[in-house]
Amino acid sequence: RKEVEQDPGPFNVPEGATVAFNCTYSNSASQSFFWYRQDCRKEPKLLMSVYSSGNEDGRFTAQLNRASQYISLLIRDSKLSDSATYLCVVTSGGSQGNLIFGKGTKLSVKP
Amino acid sequence: NAGVTQTPKFRILKIGQSMTLQCTQDMNHNYMYWYRQDPGMGLKLIYYSVGAGITDKGEVPNGYNVSRSTTEDFPLRLELAAPSQTSVYFCASSYWGTGGEDTQYFGPGTRLTVL
Repeated sequence: RKEVEQDPGPFNVPEGATVAFNCTYSNSASQSFFWYRQDCRKEPKLLMSVYSSGNEDGRFTAQLNRASQYISLLIRDSKLSDSATYLCVVTSGGSQGNLIFGKGTKLSVKP
Repeated sequence: NAGVTQTPKFRILKIGQSMTLQCTQDMNHNYMYWYRQDPGMGLKLIYYSVGAGITDKGEVPNGYNVSRSTTEDFPLRLELAAPSQTSVYFCASSYWGTGGEDTQYFGPGTRLTVL
């Protein structure tokens, strides 16, 4: 089982759609979880951290299920500017500084 | 603050050549990292450093070397370039305190092609 697995994508959606990204991780010792956004030919940037209680930032909602080792990201009312690749990222568990990145899911929002 | 800066932005190397990828951060972060990203793949950790004078291997360290003589700088050295090292290289930094790690900030990347 790969350490961090994401939907392969790509997702092509119209403006205003709701999009859900799914991610599973294999290391039960992982402590921290994140969603990063990466625009084409650019560096990754933190979108939001993910907490067990779930967290929301405007149109974005992240959820964590530790028992299922599952992370999700929901984007509501998608905008053209949301087009990017979304990376699921977890800590490796035990080793400080080791982030494990998923391959990412590409999102294209069309007019 | 400039954040994390990397030079060069692009480079083409011949097999067997060597080069150093430069990375500097001005945020007084204690942790610094080097990743590589191959097309369609996730980022892989090459080396990281928890502070000046301390470095450790990541997932894919072979063919690379690093040093951390100052808090600000974390250069990555390729001694004998191989086509398998064609990739985009990202440097990142973060602050780890008693509360754990803050966000990792990434540099703009160096696109390296080895022919």
